[in-house]
Amino acid sequence: DGGITQSPKYLFRKEGQNVTLSCEQNLNHDAMYWYRQDPGQGLRLIYYSQIVNDFQKGDIAEGYSVSREKKESFPLTVTSAQKNPTAFYLCASSIGGGELFFGEGSRLTVL
Amino acid sequence: GESVGLHLPTLSVQEGDNSIINCAYSNSASDYFIWYKQESGKGPQFIIDIRSNMDKRQGQRVTVLLNKTVKHLSLQIAATQPGDSAVYFCAENGKGSARQLTFGSGTQLTVLP
Repeated sequence: DGGITQSPKYLFRKEGQNVTLSCEQNLNHDAMYWYRQDPGQGLRLIYYSQIVNDFQKGDIAEGYSVSREKKESFPLTVTSAQKNPTAFYLCASSIGGGELFFGEGSRLTVL
Repeated sequence: GESVGLHLPTLSVQEGDNSIINCAYSNSASDYFIWYKQESGKGPQFIIDIRSNMDKRQGQRVTVLLNKTVKHLSLQIAATQPGDSAVYFCAENGKGSARQLTFGSGTQLTVLP
């Protein structure tokens, strides 16, 4: 079945550590996105990529980094520079400018 | 800046009643709107969308209404069921050159037995 796979589902990090969240899609979509969701709030855009080897900052990119070496993959690294990284992270893809297809999310907790 | 907001953060309805979830948007350039449903601990799922050249669109048990004059979007769920309990988000596509979606803060719908 086509879809978006995020891993791990749950992740714990010590302060000062970098962690990388995986996002893979087999929908053949050009565009991919990373969102952050905090309790009781909407989704905020971290980074997006419209094509391989190109990505753009979203509204809250500070403390995060991404790469887009393959069409299917868009990993997100949460760096130690992110001061409040505990959140639910959602990856999504789209054909471009339309409906977003979401993964099941990764919950990151900083200990 | 542009934003998408919801009138009510929580909504409780009796099973079998109809639900109406509202959303206000402020970006007049938006021409595409989507409603998503998010169950606890899961990713959002597409419910229904509508383009700005339409006022109403119906799906299975759901209807989206768009009022461009007052920049208002609503989601109507007919005969609400326990499985409809979730957070509902509206989103608009008016932001940025890539027309990425901007999401509202969500409404928690609780269906009472």
